[in-house]
Amino acid sequence: KNQVEQSPQSLIILEGKNCTLQCNYTVSPFSNLRWYKQDTGRGPVSLTIMTFSENTKSNGRYTATLDADTKQSSLHITASQLSDSASYICVVSRASGGSYIPTFGRGTSLIVHP
Amino acid sequence: DGGITQSPKYLFRKEGQNVTLSCEQNLNHDAMYWYRQDPGQGLRLIYYSQIVNDFQKGDIAEGYSVSREKKESFPLTVTSAQKNPTAFYLCASSAILLREPLNTEAFFGQGTRLTVV
Repeated sequence: KNQVEQSPQSLIILEGKNCTLQCNYTVSPFSNLRWYKQDTGRGPVSLTIMTFSENTKSNGRYTATLDADTKQSSLHITASQLSDSASYICVVSRASGGSYIPTFGRGTSLIVHP
Repeated sequence: DGGITQSPKYLFRKEGQNVTLSCEQNLNHDAMYWYRQDPGQGLRLIYYSQIVNDFQKGDIAEGYSVSREKKESFPLTVTSAQKNPTAFYLCASSAILLREPLNTEAFFGQGTRLTVV
């Protein structure tokens, strides 16, 4: 069964601190993995994407890693800001009949306190 | 500007009524999706369409119906058969290119919050 599991479910940190979010998946055949940021009441916005051959990708203060052997990914946020408060969703896509079908994790809710 | 638009942003429905959520995109994307999001839950796939006049059921299609008469439009109807329709509904679209998986980013609308009263 194609699944994406994220941990922790929620996280509270102080402004300026670093944090790491985890994503484990069983999606097959693997095509790519994306991390999305979803602000409350809005649609998700893509932060990073990685294919099978990539093991790290950065986007400003966001750094994603991928271990395709263990089927794990992490999203590291450096020097957190209040605007980082959001839900972070791991999405793994599989190739299927000429198209790509995404499977979404439940997300990690991050709250950054001043 | 290119994008994907959902309307309305908020929708109230009486029990027993059907209601249709609109989704339009001008990104020239072939694939469109409907997701449902409940509090504390991830996005769950309701229906998706890879091409005009064709669509497939997702994980939770019961009580929902869709149509894809135009490439730009993918409306979702929440029928009275849907037992728990109150939720946040997100529409998305993506390009499909078999040899270019990096183009598979899904672009999302702003969502429609449906409440049954």
